[in-house]
Amino acid sequence: EAGVVQSPRYKIIEKKQPVAFWCNPISGHNTLYWYLQNLGQGPELLIRYENEEAVDDSQLPKDRFSAERLKGVDSTLKIQPAELGDSAVYLCASSSDNQETQYFGPGTRLLVL
Amino acid sequence: SQQGEEDPQALSIQEGENATMNCSYKTSINNLQWYRQNSGRGLVHLILIRSNEREKHSGRLRVTLDTSKKSSSLLITASRAADTASYFCATDSDTGTASKLTFGTGTRLQVTL
Repeated sequence: EAGVVQSPRYKIIEKKQPVAFWCNPISGHNTLYWYLQNLGQGPELLIRYENEEAVDDSQLPKDRFSAERLKGVDSTLKIQPAELGDSAVYLCASSSDNQETQYFGPGTRLLVL
Repeated sequence: SQQGEEDPQALSIQEGENATMNCSYKTSINNLQWYRQNSGRGLVHLILIRSNEREKHSGRLRVTLDTSKKSSSLLITASRAADTASYFCATDSDTGTASKLTFGTGTRLQVTL
């Protein structure tokens, strides 16, 4: 079984530029999560999807961050414009119905210069 | 925001010794989970303990949960160099079908030969 796939693995951009991250969850997993992980910290939830519906986006900074999961499968997280403080690892995870554990992708490491 | 804190922040032991990590949290939970993260990788689920359980074992892992003190501990017995990683506790407070995890700050474990 393939795991959660994320791309790119690394991204370096200048501040004020846009950036997008892509995630393909494990096949059949209807719940998808985006997390932000700062250096030396645990992951913090940005948004949770159940199928194509965003059911928890309370921690997503909506002035510059957006996400979509149009067909309820893969998802894109976008930042526009990026700020220096957005430098972090962006993790995607997925789980299936009635499943209490989450499966994580390798993350995208973003550096904003 | 982080649900709780882990103690110690960093731990260095020799191969063969036991490693104990502690986690404290703030709110009522359905279950508590432990994840491992190798450097530059995503998180991997290790073990889950439910709120009505007090102790659980999986291979060389032993987890305890004290809901009255809102704390948990993870014991790794007979540690190996490959156990070197960051370990995170995560609490699930969601009463729905999908998991909603809030992670602690993590313990960085270094196992030396």
